[in-house]
Amino acid sequence: KNQVEQSPQSLIILEGKNCTLQCNYTVSPFSNLRWYKQDTGRGPVSLTIMTFSENTKSNGRYTATLDADTKQSSLHITASQLSDSASYICVVSIGGYNKLIFGAGTRLAVHP
Amino acid sequence: DTGVSQDPRHKITKRGQNVTFRCDPISEHNRLYWYRQTLGQGPEFLTYFQNEAQLEKSRLLSDRFSAERPKGSFSTLEIQRTEQGDSAMYLCASSFSVGGGYEQYFGPGTRLTVT
Repeated sequence: KNQVEQSPQSLIILEGKNCTLQCNYTVSPFSNLRWYKQDTGRGPVSLTIMTFSENTKSNGRYTATLDADTKQSSLHITASQLSDSASYICVVSIGGYNKLIFGAGTRLAVHP
Repeated sequence: DTGVSQDPRHKITKRGQNVTFRCDPISEHNRLYWYRQTLGQGPEFLTYFQNEAQLEKSRLLSDRFSAERPKGSFSTLEIQRTEQGDSAMYLCASSFSVGGGYEQYFGPGTRLTVT
């Protein structure tokens, strides 16, 4: 069964601190892995996309890593800001038309 | 064109009523997707169009659900005889693909509440 699991389910950090979110997947055939940010009541917005040959990709203060052998990914957020408070969803794409399999997300709260 | 738009943003309906949602994708995008998201969960794939052709439907899309994209531009998702379990956020996404899958851009969603 195609599945994407994320941990932790929720996380609270202080403004300015770093954090790392985890994602494990069992998906076939793998096409690419994405991290999305979803603010409450809004649609997801893409942060990074990685194919199986890419180990890391950065987007500003967001850095994603991918280990295709162990089927694990992480999203590291540096110097967190209050606006980083959102759900972060790990998404794996399968097939030729990019069918997306979503994780349940990690709900991040950044406190002042 | 500033992105994918969805209408309405919120819909409250009584059980048994029919509802229809609209999605307007980014204008040059040939692929359009519908997803459903329940509270605390990630979105789940419902169906996918390439131009006007509906190429895949999830088993989540029961007979009460129907989606159309008649001219390959906007799409509608209709739910007939709504049930309380249909309460969710319905997300639309679009992408432009030549030779493979590309970035999907999501709309703000339509939140459905069935009372």
